[in-house]
Amino acid sequence: GENVEQHPSTLSVQEGDSAVIKCTYSDSASNYFPWYKQELGKGPQLIIDIRSNVGEKKDQRIAVTLNKTAKHFSLHITETQPEDSAVYFCAAPSGGYQKVTFGTGTKLQVIP
Amino acid sequence: GAVVSQHPSRVICKSGTSVKIECRSLDFQATTMFWYRQFPKQSLMLMATSNEGSKATYEQGVEKDKFLINHASLTLSTLTVTSAHPEDSSFYICSATIFGTPGDEQFFGPGTRLTVL
Repeated sequence: GENVEQHPSTLSVQEGDSAVIKCTYSDSASNYFPWYKQELGKGPQLIIDIRSNVGEKKDQRIAVTLNKTAKHFSLHITETQPEDSAVYFCAAPSGGYQKVTFGTGTKLQVIP
Repeated sequence: GAVVSQHPSRVICKSGTSVKIECRSLDFQATTMFWYRQFPKQSLMLMATSNEGSKATYEQGVEKDKFLINHASLTLSTLTVTSAHPEDSSFYICSATIFGTPGDEQFFGPGTRLTVL
C-alpha cells in the first residue's frame, strides 16, 4: 500500500511569512495528491489538489508543487494569516483505488 | 454544493452499549462513502469503504462485527459501533465521492465525537 510521510509535524510562522509543508509518497503509480485543512473539532476540508500531469498548481495564496521523479509534493502558503492556523494533511491514493492514505499532519500556527 | 452531514455531532454512551452514526450526502448522490477514525493529535485512519447496496470493505485490523456499516442508499451510510468500550472513544469522520473512480475528490463530513464511559 501507499506510504505517505509528512514534515514538519509542527510549524510556527509570523503573520505575513510563507509556510511550506512537504510530503513524500511511495507508490509511483499515484496520480492524485490532495491537501486538506482541518480545524479543531471539524472534518477536513480540501484546499487544493494536483494531478500528475502538472508540476504546479496555484490558487491565490496557496500553491502545490509535485515532483514525480522524486515522489514528493509540497504545499506553499504565502502571506500567512492567523486564520490559516490549523492542521494540514497531505494524501495520496492507496493501491490505485479511490481511497487515499493521509500523511501524519502538520500543525501550523500563524503568530499575529 | 457537495455537502456531507453527520449525525450526531457528539455522543456519550456507557460501555457495552451500541451507537449509530449517520452520514448523509445532502446535495449529491454518493457512489462511495468512506469511514475514518481519528484519535487526538493523530491522522485520519481509514476504517472501511462502502458502496450502496453492497458489503463494506474493511481495512486490515478493523473488526467488521464491531463496526457495522450499512450503505442503505446513495445518500446515506451508517456506522454502528457495537458493544462500545472506552478504547473506541474517538472522532469518527465520513466522506463521500460522486463518481466512484480513482482520483475523485472526497467530501468530508464534520465528524462525530464519540465518548464511551
